[in-house]
Amino acid sequence: GEDVEQSLFLSVREGDSSVINCTYTDSSSTYLYWYKQEPGAGLQLLTYIFSNMDMKQDQRLTVLLNKKDKHLSLRIADTQTGDSAIYFCAEGESSYKLIFGSGTRLLVRP
Amino acid sequence: GAGVSQSPSNKVTEKGKDVELRCDPISGHTALYWYRQSLGQGLEFLIYFQGNSAPDKSGLPSDRFSAERTGGSVSTLTIQRTQQEDSAVYLCASSLSAEHHTDTQYFGPGTRLTVL
Repeated sequence: GEDVEQSLFLSVREGDSSVINCTYTDSSSTYLYWYKQEPGAGLQLLTYIFSNMDMKQDQRLTVLLNKKDKHLSLRIADTQTGDSAIYFCAEGESSYKLIFGSGTRLLVRP
Repeated sequence: GAGVSQSPSNKVTEKGKDVELRCDPISGHTALYWYRQSLGQGLEFLIYFQGNSAPDKSGLPSDRFSAERTGGSVSTLTIQRTQQEDSAVYLCASSLSAEHHTDTQYFGPGTRLTVL
């Protein structure tokens, strides 16, 4: 079945760039998403990318998609302590059903 | 409302008891979703509603799990005869519709269920 995999943990220094990686298996996925979960809060959609794109930039966030390798990454420029959270990659199996990875915990050190 | 709300925020129950978890979606959102997040795991899709009907219940883990939605708004997820493996955070989300991949799902804060 469909599977989405992410590394579990990433630690960066404040001001550095963070790169969170994700691999997925369903080549028919139309959209791929990045969600952020802060402690005690629900998931917040950060950005998404359509599968016919290879890059999308939104302020400090850059999403790169390598469809051939089924690899998605999220780059956060000038990482701040407020960026510390769990980041989930998800693929859109259908217009309503999202398949999530297990999340990458980002820790930003002062 | 301003966002998706869920109640209770925490629920501790004894094995074998039934529990009901409630979700209030964003007003006007026709689609509603339930997910389960177990410790250290990603979100697992449980069920999806379009209006009051549930076109996809494929993610419900067993027949002890059921959900309903009344009036196209509030939804209740019921777990009967709870087991320890049911312990997880249950997340609800809603979206304007479910016709397009760009119909953003907005998530509630979740209900943390602990089965002793």
